[in-house]
Amino acid sequence: GQNIDQPTEMTATEGAIVQINCTYQTSGFNGLFWYQQHAGEAPTFLSYNVLDGLEEKGRFSSFLSRSKGYSYLLLKELQMKDSASYLCAVLSNDYKLSFGAGTTVTVRA
Amino acid sequence: IAGITQAPTSQILAAGRRMTLRCTQDMRHNAMYWYRQDLGLGLRLIHYSNTAGTTGKGEVPDGYSVSRANTDDFPLTLASAVPSQTSVYFCASSEGAGATDTQYFGPGTRLTVL
Repeated sequence: GQNIDQPTEMTATEGAIVQINCTYQTSGFNGLFWYQQHAGEAPTFLSYNVLDGLEEKGRFSSFLSRSKGYSYLLLKELQMKDSASYLCAVLSNDYKLSFGAGTTVTVRA
Repeated sequence: IAGITQAPTSQILAAGRRMTLRCTQDMRHNAMYWYRQDLGLGLRLIHYSNTAGTTGKGEVPDGYSVSRANTDDFPLTLASAVPSQTSVYFCASSEGAGATDTQYFGPGTRLTVL
Protein backbone atom coordinates (compact mmCIF):
# COMPACT_ATOMS: atom_id res chain seq x y z
CA GLY A 1 0.00 0.00 0.00
CA GLN A 2 0.87 3.65 -0.09
CA ASN A 3 1.69 5.77 2.93
CA ILE A 4 2.00 9.51 2.46
CA ASP A 5 2.25 11.77 5.49
CA GLN A 6 2.02 15.53 5.75
CA PRO A 7 1.00 17.83 8.61
CA THR A 8 -2.69 18.56 8.96
CA GLU A 9 -2.47 22.30 9.54
CA MET A 10 0.01 25.17 9.49
CA THR A 11 -0.39 28.86 10.25
CA ALA A 12 1.90 31.66 9.15
CA THR A 13 1.98 35.43 8.86
CA GLU A 14 1.64 37.37 5.62
CA GLY A 15 5.08 37.94 4.10
CA ALA A 16 6.64 34.99 5.93
CA ILE A 17 7.93 31.64 4.67
CA VAL A 18 6.29 28.28 5.30
CA GLN A 19 7.68 24.82 4.60
CA ILE A 20 5.27 21.91 4.18
CA ASN A 21 6.91 18.52 4.59
CA CYS A 22 5.81 15.29 2.99
CA THR A 23 7.19 11.81 3.67
CA TYR A 24 6.22 8.79 1.66
CA GLN A 25 6.50 5.02 1.46
CA THR A 26 5.05 3.76 -1.80
CA SER A 27 5.17 0.88 -4.25
CA GLY A 28 7.85 2.30 -6.49
CA PHE A 29 8.39 5.92 -7.42
CA ASN A 30 7.86 7.79 -10.66
CA GLY A 31 7.65 11.33 -9.38
CA LEU A 32 6.08 13.55 -6.75
CA PHE A 33 3.48 16.25 -7.36
CA TRP A 34 2.26 19.17 -5.26
CA TYR A 35 -1.23 20.56 -5.80
CA GLN A 36 -2.96 23.59 -4.29
CA GLN A 37 -6.64 23.39 -3.42
CA HIS A 38 -8.69 26.36 -2.25
CA ALA A 39 -11.78 25.56 -0.20
CA GLY A 40 -14.60 24.30 -2.38
CA GLU A 41 -12.48 24.26 -5.51
CA ALA A 42 -10.54 21.77 -7.62
CA PRO A 43 -6.89 20.93 -6.97
CA THR A 44 -4.53 22.84 -9.26
CA PHE A 45 -1.03 21.70 -10.23
CA LEU A 46 1.93 23.44 -8.57
CA SER A 47 5.04 21.35 -9.14
CA TYR A 48 6.55 18.02 -10.18
CA ASN A 49 9.81 16.51 -8.96
CA VAL A 50 11.33 13.27 -10.19
CA LEU A 51 15.03 13.93 -9.55
CA ASP A 52 16.63 14.89 -6.25
CA GLY A 53 17.01 18.57 -5.61
CA LEU A 54 15.16 21.84 -5.59
CA GLU A 55 12.78 23.09 -8.26
CA GLU A 56 12.01 26.79 -8.04
CA LYS A 57 8.98 28.41 -9.61
CA GLY A 58 8.43 32.00 -8.51
CA ARG A 59 7.44 32.18 -4.84
CA PHE A 60 7.01 28.41 -4.66
CA SER A 61 9.80 25.84 -4.54
CA SER A 62 9.69 22.06 -4.17
CA PHE A 63 12.44 19.78 -2.96
CA LEU A 64 12.84 16.02 -3.29
CA SER A 65 15.11 13.44 -1.68
CA ARG A 66 14.29 10.01 -3.10
CA SER A 67 16.67 8.17 -0.75
CA LYS A 68 14.88 9.64 2.27
CA GLY A 69 11.36 9.40 0.83
CA TYR A 70 10.95 13.08 1.57
CA SER A 71 9.77 16.23 -0.12
CA TYR A 72 8.87 19.73 0.93
CA LEU A 73 7.00 22.62 -0.60
CA LEU A 74 8.34 26.05 0.31
CA LEU A 75 6.06 29.04 0.06
CA LYS A 76 7.84 32.39 0.23
CA GLU A 77 6.52 35.94 0.69
CA LEU A 78 3.20 34.55 1.82
CA GLN A 79 0.06 36.29 0.62
CA MET A 80 -3.48 35.99 1.93
CA LYS A 81 -4.47 34.20 -1.29
CA ASP A 82 -2.04 31.40 -0.40
CA SER A 83 -4.46 30.24 2.31
CA ALA A 84 -5.42 26.81 0.95
CA SER A 85 -4.79 23.10 1.28
CA TYR A 86 -1.60 21.74 -0.23
CA LEU A 87 -1.66 18.15 -1.43
CA CYS A 88 1.39 15.93 -1.78
CA ALA A 89 0.93 13.10 -4.31
CA VAL A 90 3.28 10.31 -5.36
CA LEU A 91 3.21 8.57 -8.73
CA SER A 92 3.92 4.92 -8.06
CA ASN A 93 5.03 2.04 -10.27
CA ASP A 94 1.65 1.67 -11.95
CA TYR A 95 1.65 5.39 -12.83
CA LYS A 96 -1.26 6.12 -10.51
CA LEU A 97 -1.25 9.02 -8.08
CA SER A 98 -1.57 8.43 -4.35
CA PHE A 99 -2.42 11.52 -2.33
CA GLY A 100 -1.66 12.59 1.18
CA ALA A 101 -4.54 13.98 3.24
CA GLY A 102 -3.39 17.54 2.61
CA THR A 103 -2.00 20.39 4.71
CA THR A 104 -4.26 23.36 5.36
CA VAL A 105 -2.25 26.57 5.44
CA THR A 106 -3.78 29.65 7.02
CA VAL A 107 -2.12 32.99 6.32
CA ARG A 108 -2.78 35.68 8.90
CA ALA A 109 -2.36 39.42 8.43
CA ILE B 1 -11.63 26.26 -23.87
CA ALA B 2 -13.58 24.92 -20.88
CA GLY B 3 -11.07 22.25 -19.79
CA ILE B 4 -12.95 19.75 -17.67
CA THR B 5 -16.60 20.10 -16.80
CA GLN B 6 -18.58 18.04 -14.31
CA ALA B 7 -22.30 17.76 -13.74
CA PRO B 8 -24.17 18.11 -11.54
CA THR B 9 -22.41 20.56 -9.23
CA SER B 10 -24.17 19.02 -6.26
CA GLN B 11 -26.82 16.41 -5.65
CA ILE B 12 -28.79 14.98 -2.76
CA LEU B 13 -29.77 11.38 -3.41
CA ALA B 14 -31.86 8.81 -1.59
CA ALA B 15 -30.10 5.57 -0.70
CA GLY B 16 -30.73 2.83 -3.23
CA ARG B 17 -31.11 5.20 -6.16
CA ARG B 18 -28.98 5.03 -9.29
CA MET B 19 -26.89 8.09 -10.15
CA THR B 20 -24.51 9.01 -12.97
CA LEU B 21 -21.94 11.76 -12.53
CA ARG B 22 -20.88 13.29 -15.81
CA CYS B 23 -17.39 14.39 -16.82
CA THR B 24 -16.35 15.93 -20.13
CA GLN B 25 -12.99 17.30 -21.24
CA ASP B 26 -12.16 19.25 -24.38
CA MET B 27 -8.37 18.95 -24.23
CA ARG B 28 -8.23 15.68 -26.20
CA HIS B 29 -6.49 14.05 -23.26
CA ASN B 30 -6.09 10.30 -23.50
CA ALA B 31 -6.28 9.47 -19.79
CA MET B 32 -9.13 10.24 -17.41
CA TYR B 33 -9.69 9.53 -13.72
CA TRP B 34 -12.35 9.60 -11.03
CA TYR B 35 -11.43 10.41 -7.41
CA ARG B 36 -13.41 10.87 -4.25
CA GLN B 37 -12.29 13.29 -1.55
CA ASP B 38 -13.27 12.77 2.06
CA LEU B 39 -12.20 14.83 5.06
CA GLY B 40 -8.96 13.54 6.53
CA LEU B 41 -8.45 10.93 3.84
CA GLY B 42 -7.33 12.90 0.83
CA LEU B 43 -8.14 12.06 -2.75
CA ARG B 44 -8.62 8.35 -3.53
CA LEU B 45 -8.74 6.89 -7.02
CA ILE B 46 -11.98 5.11 -7.91
CA HIS B 47 -11.54 4.20 -11.59
CA TYR B 48 -9.36 5.32 -14.44
CA SER B 49 -9.11 5.08 -18.21
CA ASN B 50 -5.76 5.28 -20.00
CA THR B 51 -7.40 5.65 -23.39
CA ALA B 52 -10.85 5.52 -24.98
CA GLY B 53 -12.30 2.02 -24.83
CA THR B 54 -10.32 0.90 -21.77
CA THR B 55 -10.96 1.26 -18.03
CA GLY B 56 -9.30 0.08 -14.85
CA LYS B 57 -9.99 -0.14 -11.13
CA GLY B 58 -8.38 2.20 -8.65
CA GLU B 59 -8.07 2.03 -4.89
CA VAL B 60 -11.81 2.18 -4.03
CA PRO B 61 -13.84 0.83 -6.99
CA ASP B 62 -16.60 -1.07 -5.17
CA GLY B 63 -20.09 0.29 -5.82
CA TYR B 64 -18.96 2.32 -8.84
CA SER B 65 -18.72 1.68 -12.56
CA VAL B 66 -17.36 3.69 -15.48
CA SER B 67 -17.35 3.63 -19.25
CA ARG B 68 -15.18 5.36 -21.85
CA ALA B 69 -16.99 5.25 -25.16
CA ASN B 70 -15.05 8.22 -26.57
CA THR B 71 -12.10 10.48 -25.72
CA ASP B 72 -14.10 13.32 -24.21
CA ASP B 73 -16.55 11.67 -21.81
CA PHE B 74 -16.00 9.57 -18.70
CA PRO B 75 -19.22 9.04 -16.70
CA LEU B 76 -19.21 7.50 -13.21
CA THR B 77 -22.26 5.48 -12.18
CA LEU B 78 -23.42 4.53 -8.71
CA ALA B 79 -25.78 1.60 -9.32
CA SER B 80 -27.40 1.69 -5.89
CA ALA B 81 -26.17 4.57 -3.75
CA VAL B 82 -25.31 4.09 -0.07
CA PRO B 83 -24.63 6.76 2.59
CA SER B 84 -20.90 5.91 2.66
CA GLN B 85 -20.71 7.23 -0.91
CA THR B 86 -21.40 10.73 0.37
CA SER B 87 -18.32 12.61 -0.79
CA VAL B 88 -16.93 15.17 -3.20
CA TYR B 89 -16.14 13.55 -6.54
CA PHE B 90 -13.44 14.94 -8.82
CA CYS B 91 -12.82 13.98 -12.41
CA ALA B 92 -9.32 14.54 -13.81
CA SER B 93 -7.56 14.10 -17.12
CA SER B 94 -4.01 13.97 -18.41
CA GLU B 95 -2.48 13.92 -21.85
CA GLY B 96 -1.14 10.43 -21.29
CA ALA B 97 -0.76 7.98 -18.43
CA GLY B 98 3.01 8.29 -18.06
CA ALA B 99 5.37 9.71 -15.50
CA THR B 100 5.40 13.32 -16.69
CA ASP B 101 1.70 13.63 -17.49
CA THR B 102 0.17 16.15 -15.12
CA GLN B 103 -3.41 15.54 -14.08
CA TYR B 104 -5.87 18.43 -14.36
CA PHE B 105 -9.00 18.40 -12.23
CA GLY B 106 -12.60 19.33 -12.85
CA PRO B 107 -14.60 21.49 -10.40
CA GLY B 108 -16.09 18.52 -8.55
CA THR B 109 -19.52 17.16 -7.70
CA ARG B 110 -20.69 17.23 -4.09
CA LEU B 111 -22.88 14.18 -3.52
CA THR B 112 -24.96 13.50 -0.41
CA VAL B 113 -26.64 10.11 -0.01
CA LEU B 114 -29.35 9.99 2.63
